Amino acid sequence: GQQVMQIPQYQHVQEGEDFTTYCNSSTTLSNIQWYKQRPGGHPVFLIQLVKSGEVKKQKRLTFQFGEAKKNSSLHITATQTTDVGTYFCAGLTSGTYKYIFGTGTRLKVLA
Amino acid sequence: NAGVMQNPRHLVRRRGQEARLRCSPMKGHSHVYWYRQLPEEGLKFMVYLQKENIIDESGMPKERFSAEFPKEGPSILRIQQVVRGDSAAYFCASSPLASPHKDTQYFGPGTRLTVL
Repeated sequence: GQQVMQIPQYQHVQEGEDFTTYCNSSTTLSNIQWYKQRPGGHPVFLIQLVKSGEVKKQKRLTFQFGEAKKNSSLHITATQTTDVGTYFCAGLTSGTYKYIFGTGTRLKVLA
Repeated sequence: NAGVMQNPRHLVRRRGQEARLRCSPMKGHSHVYWYRQLPEEGLKFMVYLQKENIIDESGMPKERFSAEFPKEGPSILRIQQVVRGDSAAYFCASSPLASPHKDTQYFGPGTRLTVL
């Protein structure tokens, strides 16, 4: 079945350093969403990417959707302690209703 | 404008008992998704429902699990004869549109189920 993998599984960075998580799907996606989940919390929607090669920015966060629509990345510039949490991508395959969530990348930011 | 509501937030059951988890979608939303999250893992899709209809239940175990979204009232995820492996966080999410391609899912706070 369809799989969505994320790397790395864990990442510890010093405050101010950059951070990137990568998402790879075994099948071509119609779109991809990114979520952030704080420890003990629930997933919070960050962004949706639809077009091949699309790049979107939200302040210090940059999201990319690959040309083949099988991979995506989230890059955070100059991390802050408030960025701590687990970042999930979720991919949707054309013709289906369900998003397949990636395995997540847990980010810790050291002050 | 209240968000997605789930109750109870924490539920403890002994093996063999039944667990009922409730989800009230955001006002105006008629589409509900249920996910299960094991500790340290991602979210696994279970079921997608619209009012009075199950659209996709491919992620739900065939036995002991059922879900409904009646015309009136919350969506309910029911787990019969719970086992320790059912211990997890169960999240529901709602969206207003029929097309998931075009819309965001808004997640509730989750129900943490512990089976003793």
